[in-house]
Amino acid sequence: EAGVTQSPTHLIKTRGQQATLRCSPISGHTSVYWYQQALGLGLQFLLWYDEGEERNRGNFPPRFSGRQFPNYSSELNVNALELEDSALYLCASSLAGQGTGNTIYFGEGSWLTVV
Amino acid sequence: AQSVSQHNHHVILSEAASLELGCNYSYGGTVNLFWYVQYPGQHLQLLLKYFSGDPLVKGIKGFEAEFIKSKFSFNLRKPSVQWSDTAEYFCAVRASGTYKYIFGTGTRLKVLA
Repeated sequence: EAGVTQSPTHLIKTRGQQATLRCSPISGHTSVYWYQQALGLGLQFLLWYDEGEERNRGNFPPRFSGRQFPNYSSELNVNALELEDSALYLCASSLAGQGTGNTIYFGEGSWLTVV
Repeated sequence: AQSVSQHNHHVILSEAASLELGCNYSYGGTVNLFWYVQYPGQHLQLLLKYFSGDPLVKGIKGFEAEFIKSKFSFNLRKPSVQWSDTAEYFCAVRASGTYKYIFGTGTRLKVLA
């Protein structure tokens, strides 16, 4: 069974540009989460999508946005890129609506470098 | 607000030494607790988790963690580390019934051969 897949693996953008990262959850998972892993800051929660809707977002500016498609895959968009947006962006997925027995599973991440 | 603290940011041990990584959280309600590991160049993997029941949980690769409710702690332990345990370890908390995970900042473990 395929795990959480993310693309691209690496992305280099110029300050002010937009970046789009993609994520496909494990088959059967309806919840997708996005995290930012910046150097020295650990994992920071960005966004949570479930059944196509944004359920929660972390303490990030509105230029971080995303969506979830009918097939439960997801996109993370970062507009007006800043140098400090350089980080590893991790996508994770889990079953939803199954009570407290859910665990999230992570993809390998997308490295975004802003120059 | 919920938060997770991992007090050790960097730990260096020799092979066969014992390991204990601290994790404390702040949340007044029922929680689910997790430890994840990220080996160099690899993605995050689940080491172990606690939902309910026996507060001493055993995970993969000889790791275990003990949930002490009175101390709001979920420390990770391994009796004898190996060079291959070199990685970054993340503690995470989720309030029961929610889907928002709060992660600690991670502990980088280096095991010297």
